[in-house]
Amino acid sequence: GAGVSQSPRYKVAKRGQDVALRCDPISGHVSLFWYQQALGQGPEFLTYFQNEAQLDKSGLPSDRFFAERPEGSVSTLKIQRTQQEDSAVYLCASSLDGFLNEQFFGPGTRLTVL
Amino acid sequence: GQQVMQIPQYQHVQEGEDFTTYCNSSTTLSNIQWYKQRPGGHPVFLIQLVKSGEVKKQKRLTFQFGEAKKNSSLHITATQTTDVGTYFCAGGNTGKLIFGQGTTLQVKP
Repeated sequence: GAGVSQSPRYKVAKRGQDVALRCDPISGHVSLFWYQQALGQGPEFLTYFQNEAQLDKSGLPSDRFFAERPEGSVSTLKIQRTQQEDSAVYLCASSLDGFLNEQFFGPGTRLTVL
Repeated sequence: GQQVMQIPQYQHVQEGEDFTTYCNSSTTLSNIQWYKQRPGGHPVFLIQLVKSGEVKKQKRLTFQFGEAKKNSSLHITATQTTDVGTYFCAGGNTGKLIFGQGTTLQVKP
């Protein structure tokens, strides 16, 4: 089957705009993770879902960041009032069940805030 | 909070030379995973280590998990140009993975 897909692949936003990033995990994968990857750095954990439940959102940088997975499949990461420091690649990953399983990453969304 | 440090940040080798990257955690880990990211690509899973002192091999790649489950290493024997990329370790604890900053490997043919 298909891997993890993300859309859009590239997003340019003006400072202050809201953006929504979509992730389609592998079908049947219970766990879904969002990461932020700055240039030259490793992925930084943002939040984690088990089915539709958001079990950990400790990595979200501020209350401008919000994630949801209402039906336990597709997830959306929303960033309100974008700032320049939000510019990064946002990676979504899914796994069969939890962090003790291999994570399959999507291609990422590159967000540039002008 | 929990930190995972990786060294070196960059490594340039001649094709055929060996390469090692080291990963250290500030806390005991439940597991460690290794990923490879090619330039412009996304991280791809290589392996997971769970047991104290565990050693796993994949062809020319050897992965080790320390006895205290706080450090790990990846060793590549006789590097090839196809090994180029950034190698990340990711330590598992409290339900999530914490990634190191990665080691970028360049291989000169």
